[in-house]
Amino acid sequence: KAGVTQTPRYLIKTRGQQVTLSCSPISGHRSVSWYQQTPGQGLQFLFEYFSETQRNKGNFPGRFSGRQFSNSRSEMNVSTLELGDSALYLCASSSDSRSPYNSPLHFGNGTRLTVT
Amino acid sequence: KQEVTQIPAALSVPEGENLVLNCSFTDSAIYNLQWFRQDPGKGLTSLLLIQSSQREQTSGRLNASLDKSSGRSTLYIAASQPGDSATYLCAAGSGTNAGKSTFGDGTTLTVKP
Repeated sequence: KAGVTQTPRYLIKTRGQQVTLSCSPISGHRSVSWYQQTPGQGLQFLFEYFSETQRNKGNFPGRFSGRQFSNSRSEMNVSTLELGDSALYLCASSSDSRSPYNSPLHFGNGTRLTVT
Repeated sequence: KQEVTQIPAALSVPEGENLVLNCSFTDSAIYNLQWFRQDPGKGLTSLLLIQSSQREQTSGRLNASLDKSSGRSTLYIAASQPGDSATYLCAAGSGTNAGKSTFGDGTTLTVKP
């Protein structure tokens, strides 16, 4: 079974630009969540989607948005990039097939975003 | 607001030693506690998930325990190997909806041959 796939692997953008990151979950998984990882703040929750609906949202500004498609693939978008947005962005999927509270998170290898 | 703390931040042990990693959380109303490992430049690999109704889970040389009342979880690694060298993170699942986990900053483990 293929794992969680994130594209692109690396991205370099300039301040003020916007960026879109993509995540393909494990087949059959309907929940997709996004996390930002930085050396100073660690792993921080961005948002989670389930069946195309945003179910949870973290404490990030409105410049960070996401969506989920009918095939469970998800994208996150960051507009008006700032230097502080440089981070590893991780996507995780879970099955939620029996209990949404007890399904392990499966992570992709992340997209490394550098803002210059 | 849930806060998760992992101590120590770094640990170095000789090969073969048994060791314990610690994780504490402030809000005991969790629905699960997960342990992950992260290798440099990679994503997280799920190791163990303990449901809120459980006390421990085991997988091979790994054993994780959960004490909700004290807000603590431990990850026990038996007979450590150099391949165990990585950063270990714990995550507490909590909140009114499933799908949101709060992570600790991790413990970086180095196992010396």
